[in-house]
Amino acid sequence: DTGVSQDPRHKITKRGQNVTFRCDPISEHNRLYWYRQTLGQGPEFLTYFQNEAQLEKSRLLSDRFSAERPKGSFSTLEIQRTEQGDSAMYLCASRPGGTGDDQPQHFGDGTRLSIL
Amino acid sequence: GQQVMQIPQYQHVQEGEDFTTYCNSSTTLSNIQWYKQRPGGHPVFLIQLVKSGEVKKQKRLTFQFGEAKKNSSLHITATQTTDVGTYFCAGRMKTSYDKVIFGPGTSLSVIP
Repeated sequence: DTGVSQDPRHKITKRGQNVTFRCDPISEHNRLYWYRQTLGQGPEFLTYFQNEAQLEKSRLLSDRFSAERPKGSFSTLEIQRTEQGDSAMYLCASRPGGTGDDQPQHFGDGTRLSIL
Repeated sequence: GQQVMQIPQYQHVQEGEDFTTYCNSSTTLSNIQWYKQRPGGHPVFLIQLVKSGEVKKQKRLTFQFGEAKKNSSLHITATQTTDVGTYFCAGRMKTSYDKVIFGPGTSLSVIP
């Protein structure tokens, strides 16, 4: 299967700890997105990359959150000094770029973060 | 701020009944996408609408985009148990290059 892959699937950590998630997009998809989803809500946009460039970042994203995509392939999302409110499903999506707006996003299965 | 709203939040239907979910944006959209998320799963792309007044069909599903490009609807004819899940609309804002804002979703339950 060559879909979007996320690791880990689940992460349980104590408040105040740092966590890092990884996303491997579909090969040759140069656009990569991070979303956060809480129960009963739709995915909330966090940030977006085109190749290695982070082109947009949600104003809701505090300075405890940082994302990278150093070689334009996989991406990491780090949360520092985690808080209870960070508990959520973190979704990654990718899509091809340069072909207009008609290509859909493909989502990974997500990383579920639980803060104790 | 830019918002995308959906109603209803929940819908319970008897198998074979029709179902409709409505999506409204506070601002004009470049396009709108619809996704389905099964319980425990991730959002799966269904369709994208771009043109004002556009209507697209996929078997029993009919999607509409409003003339003002601020609202949309998804209608399912003769629901089946396989239609169970949460349906999200997601609008691409004209003011943003590639940011998509998801609505809160409509959760559909189908009673066999």
